[in-house]
Amino acid sequence: NAGVMQNPRHLVRRRGQEARLRCSPMKGHSHVYWYRQLPEEGLKFMVYLQKENIIDESGMPKERFSAEFPKEGPSILRIQQVVRGDSAAYFCASSADLAEELFFGSGTQLSVL
Amino acid sequence: AQRVTQPEKLLSVFKGAPVELKCNYSYSGSPELFWYVQYSRQRLQLLLRHISRESIKGFTADLNKGETSFHLKKPFAQEEDSAMYYCALSYGSGNTGKLIFGQGTTLQVKP
Repeated sequence: NAGVMQNPRHLVRRRGQEARLRCSPMKGHSHVYWYRQLPEEGLKFMVYLQKENIIDESGMPKERFSAEFPKEGPSILRIQQVVRGDSAAYFCASSADLAEELFFGSGTQLSVL
Repeated sequence: AQRVTQPEKLLSVFKGAPVELKCNYSYSGSPELFWYVQYSRQRLQLLLRHISRESIKGFTADLNKGETSFHLKKPFAQEEDSAMYYCALSYGSGNTGKLIFGQGTTLQVKP
């Protein structure tokens, strides 16, 4: 089991471009979470998804950010029209069930020029 | 408001010395607390959770509701304990994936 896989590891975008971050959960895990970590801060919850459903997006900015977890394929976090303030490390995590251990990916470092 | 505070950004101790990484929380409900660790060039991983009451790699943490604290302790630090440690609080009504993290404490164990 390769664990939670995130790609790319590093993503550079210019202001106004779109960023797409991908996350493949661990085998057998159907719960996916996205977190953002700004410099010098702790991880902040963004969104919780199950297959084809957004369960809780209370931590997502209201504009430009969206997430999906399709029936087939990885979960995608999309940021449209990126701004410098979006520069951060974005982590994905998965679990087998609600009260089960959370497993994290290595993260995607987004840099907006 | 829910909050997790780790007051020390860096804790530096010598090998064999006791370690205490502080964590305080603010939460109106019944808290479920965790410690996560990130070793150099590795992923963030769960170290321990308060409901399991286990000792992992010699570390223990006791939930003190009166002081709203969940400090991480180890009696004798080892060099391999050097890492970033995050305290986290679950606030998702039984969903342990919805967490509030503290800012983290870097533990540096010197030889």
